[in-house]
Amino acid sequence: DTGVSQNPRHKITKRGQNVTFRCDPISEHNRLYWYRQTLGQGPEFLTYFQNEAQLEKSRLLSDRFSAERPKGSFSTLEIQRTEQGDSAMYLCASSLTIFGTLPSEQYFGPGTRLTVT
Amino acid sequence: AQTVTQSQPEMSVQEAETVTLSCTYDTSESDYYLFWYKQPPSRQMILVIRQEAYKQQNATENRFSVNFQKAAKSFSLKISDSQLGDAAMYFCARMEYGNKLVFGAGTILRVKS
Repeated sequence: DTGVSQNPRHKITKRGQNVTFRCDPISEHNRLYWYRQTLGQGPEFLTYFQNEAQLEKSRLLSDRFSAERPKGSFSTLEIQRTEQGDSAMYLCASSLTIFGTLPSEQYFGPGTRLTVT
Repeated sequence: AQTVTQSQPEMSVQEAETVTLSCTYDTSESDYYLFWYKQPPSRQMILVIRQEAYKQQNATENRFSVNFQKAAKSFSLKISDSQLGDAAMYFCARMEYGNKLVFGAGTILRVKS
C-alpha cells in the first residue's frame, strides 16, 4: 500500500481549456474527498464519495466542475473551460468509514497543482 | 458559516523548546471531532492529533498535546521539545456531517537551530 496518489502533480493550462485530475485512494477505503487549497489558505471541501455514490457537493463546485468515482475505486475531477481563478492545489483524501463507528482518519494525497494562464 | 480560526499566521520556536499554536472554532453541535494536520513544504498533509469533543481528557501523541476548552471553543496544539522536522504549516480542522473537514487558514511554524 503506497497511500493516496494523485496525477498529474502539476498541470499548466490555458484559460478556456479542460483539465482532468485523477486520484487513486488507499485500496480498501470507501470514502474519497476532494478539497481545493489556494496559496496561504487551508483546504476547502469540494465533494465526497461513499464508494461510487457522490453524496455531497460544495457550493464551490460550479457547473464547470464534475467528479466521478466509477466502481468506487479511483476518482477523477474535471474542470471545463478553466478560468484563472481555478488556479489552486487540488487535494484528494480517502478514509475507511464504517457506519456507527468513530470517523476514521483521512489520508491525503500529494495534490495536483493547477496553474491557469 | 461555521468557521475555524487560527489567529497566528506564523510562529517561531527555538529547537528543543515548546510552542503553542492557537485555534478557535464555531459549531452548534454538542459532539464533534477536532484535528491538527501538518503540511510540510511540498509534501502531503498528515494527521498530527485528534480530539473527540465528548472526551474531557486532552489528547496527547508523544511530543504533541492539545488543550481542549469546549466551553470556550478553543483547541490549541502544544509541541514540546521542538525539532527541525516540525517546521511546517499546521492546520486546525473540525469535522462536519459526512466527515468532511473544515480547515483554518493555517499557521506556519519555523524552527530555529
